[in-house]
Amino acid sequence: QQQVKQSPQSLIVQKGGISIINCAYENTAFDYFPWYQQFPGKGPALLIAIRPDVSEKKEGRFTISFNKSAKQFSLHIMDSQPGDSATYFCAAPLFNDMRFGAGTRLTVKP
Amino acid sequence: KAGVTQTPRYLIKTRGQQVTLSCSPISGHRSVSWYQQTPGQGLQFLFEYFSETQRNKGNFPGRFSGRQFSNSRSEMNVSTLELGDSALYLCASSLQGAAEAFFGQGTRLTVV
Repeated sequence: QQQVKQSPQSLIVQKGGISIINCAYENTAFDYFPWYQQFPGKGPALLIAIRPDVSEKKEGRFTISFNKSAKQFSLHIMDSQPGDSATYFCAAPLFNDMRFGAGTRLTVKP
Repeated sequence: KAGVTQTPRYLIKTRGQQVTLSCSPISGHRSVSWYQQTPGQGLQFLFEYFSETQRNKGNFPGRFSGRQFSNSRSEMNVSTLELGDSALYLCASSLQGAAEAFFGQGTRLTVV
């Protein structure tokens, strides 16, 4: 079964700082790498995703960087806000489903 | 556009019982995947259905089963419940599978 390794397990940053979460994968069915954000008591919500035609994708304060040769991708949250405090999951596709990293609990201190 | 709807939201069952959870996907989505989420194991893939056919299955015992109906709605069933089955069960729908999957709020199952 495919492994998706995510780090760090937890992250504390100050308001206005940069949050960086990393993921590494073994194999994928195709190149599509999403990040999900989950708040307590809610299901994961699709935050941002990248496809293979670009090495970086930016949406507002959220950026995915993708390194195909290293089989790694990362999420950068610029100007982190207390409202960003949540658990973040990376994922990679295997066959017709997504396999998820273990999650990173982000806490943004005011 | 309505999101993914899971029912019920909360469920308490006794060991040995069975349970059925329901998932209504986003309109037009034909792929439904089920995941089990626990603090220790994270998000673990159960199975995926597309057009009423199970296309892929994770490493769960046969007590876990599912099905999909012609309107893409899906159900999962867990028989002979064990304490370790207590978890948040999530379903996700997408147009064709994997990419751009949207999750429901989940069903919190507690086995006592």
